[in-house]
Amino acid sequence: RKEVEQDPGPFNVPEGATVAFNCTYSNSASQSFFWYRQDCRKEPKLLMSVYSSGNEDGRFTAQLNRASQYISLLIRDSKLSDSATYLCVVNIGNNDMRFGAGTRLTVKP
Amino acid sequence: EPEVTQTPSHQVTQMGQEVILRCVPISNHLYFYWYRQILGQKVEFLVSFYNNEISEKSEIFDDQFSVERPDGSNFTLKIRSTKLEDSAMYFCASSVSLALEQYFGPGTRLTVT
Repeated sequence: RKEVEQDPGPFNVPEGATVAFNCTYSNSASQSFFWYRQDCRKEPKLLMSVYSSGNEDGRFTAQLNRASQYISLLIRDSKLSDSATYLCVVNIGNNDMRFGAGTRLTVKP
Repeated sequence: EPEVTQTPSHQVTQMGQEVILRCVPISNHLYFYWYRQILGQKVEFLVSFYNNEISEKSEIFDDQFSVERPDGSNFTLKIRSTKLEDSAMYFCASSVSLALEQYFGPGTRLTVT
């Protein structure tokens, strides 16, 4: 089983749509969880941390289920500028961050 | 807003040569990292560094790699005797504390010919 596994995508959605990404991780001792976005040939940029109680930042909502080792990201009212690759990132301990392969999202007019 | 910077943006080198990639982490951050991303593949952890020593390294970070904080601002990754398969984007990152968010620099594209 891969350490961090994501929906392969790609997701092609119209502007205004709601889209959800899922991620599972294999290391039950993982300590912290994040969603990053990466534009083509650019660095990963932090989107949001993921907390056990779930958290929301504007149109973005992240959920964590430690029992199922599952993380999700929901994007509401998607914009053209949301088009990017979304990376699920898990800190498995001692600052060793493991990245998923990413899910590509394209938002179309 | 403070940011991580990296130089050079692109480095071309011949197989067998040594390269040094440079990074300036965010000034109040205490933890520093190097990652690589081969074109079309996922981001891979190489090494983390705290208090002037390596705190964690991956299986990729073998004897050809080394890291150093030569002064109060720079953090470097040295690759001795580069191989073709070292061609990748190398990202530096930093964080305030353990397990907190990491902020990435714009990367150095290394091309080994």
